Amino acid sequence: NAGVTQTPKFQVLKTGQSMTLQCAQDMNHNSMYWYRQDPGMGLRLIYYSASEGTTDKGEVPNGYNVSRLNKREFSLRLESAAPSQTSVYFCASSEPGGSRSYEQYFGPGTRLTVT
Amino acid sequence: RKEVEQDPGPFNVPEGATVAFNCTYSNSASQSFFWYRQDCRKEPKLLMSVYSSGNEDGRFTAQLNRASQYISLLIRDSKLSDSATYLCVVGPGHDKIIFGKGTRLHILP
Repeated sequence: NAGVTQTPKFQVLKTGQSMTLQCAQDMNHNSMYWYRQDPGMGLRLIYYSASEGTTDKGEVPNGYNVSRLNKREFSLRLESAAPSQTSVYFCASSEPGGSRSYEQYFGPGTRLTVT
Repeated sequence: RKEVEQDPGPFNVPEGATVAFNCTYSNSASQSFFWYRQDCRKEPKLLMSVYSSGNEDGRFTAQLNRASQYISLLIRDSKLSDSATYLCVVGPGHDKIIFGKGTRLHILP
């Protein structure tokens, strides 16, 4: 089992460019999440998908869109990248239901720099 | 009060010592509590859950104090490999999970 995989691992964009971050999990989890982590800010939830076919905004959704392509895959799109979106992006998955929702399994992250 | 608050550290502790972290939370209706560990430039990983009665896993002990709204993590006989950032996680509800900013721990040889 690969767990949660993310691509790419590193990316440099110019302001205004667009890109999609890919995430896939092979644990048959229903819930998937996108976080960003900035120095001194901790992990902040961008979007989440409680189950296939549903997506909801988290704490910091502006400037992002998501697609839950199927049960395995959850992508994050930056339509017009801004320097404020320079961050480390983590995808996570979990099995919903009571306390198990908090047992999140994270991918290795994507380090994004926007110049 | 911030939703989940932790001392950012760093805590510099000699190998073999005992170290304790606290985390306070603001929502008295919170039901689920966890500690995650994050190594430098790596993803967070679940360390342990925190149960009302307190729980232990080897050298690690977690406690919950609902009256004062804090949870704690105690690491005994610390090892060099314990050096990491420890994240407190609180769940007011199944669709709202709050991560603390983390406490950095350095174990000194």
